[in-house]
Amino acid sequence: EPEVTQTPSHQVTQMGQEVILRCVPISNHLYFYWYRQILGQKVEFLVSFYNNEISEKSEIFDDQFSVERPDGSNFTLKIRSTKLEDSAMYFCASRNLETGRWETQYFGPGTRLLVL
Amino acid sequence: KQEVTQIPAALSVPEGENLVLNCSFTDSAIYNLQWFRQDPGKGLTSLLLIQSSQREQTSGRLNASLDKSSGRSTLYIAASQPGDSATYLCAVVSGGSYIPTFGRGTSLIVHP
Repeated sequence: EPEVTQTPSHQVTQMGQEVILRCVPISNHLYFYWYRQILGQKVEFLVSFYNNEISEKSEIFDDQFSVERPDGSNFTLKIRSTKLEDSAMYFCASRNLETGRWETQYFGPGTRLLVL
Repeated sequence: KQEVTQIPAALSVPEGENLVLNCSFTDSAIYNLQWFRQDPGKGLTSLLLIQSSQREQTSGRLNASLDKSSGRSTLYIAASQPGDSATYLCAVVSGGSYIPTFGRGTSLIVHP
């Protein structure tokens, strides 16, 4: 069964460093998402991406965040200058698009980011 | 702003019990509601998706219902098994923004 993959599974970085989290969505999916989950907290929506542009973003997704689909398969989340509070599990998700209906989102296994 | 609440926060039951997990939301103008399972340190696995025009969805021992007017959904798990132990999350996609809002989840332990 097709699945969303994410790399790396774990990343440790120093405060102020840039990190890039990578995702390979399911190949025929058209909508892509990033979420984060701080330890013990709710899953929070960051951004959605469709047709090579951001379609929705949350208040969390400020100027230090950016997303890109550099080729036909990868979807990346860049955090420009990491802060301690960016430590969280980051999930990528994708879904297909069917006119008039919302199809199930499929989540990747997550990247655990620790900022020291 | 949509708020999603899940009750109870935690549940511990013996194997074989039938369970009801609750999810409530404040804005009834939703597009859909999705139930997920999350195992410790892992990603989210979609269990059931209910479109706003539907009342329920079933998959195996799982049944999810949706009552938009009262802002509630329930996830019914029949004949629970130790393998059902996980955190169950409810997520609502609101009609205006299409941004999913998650609840905190119900942490379920089914003991043999």
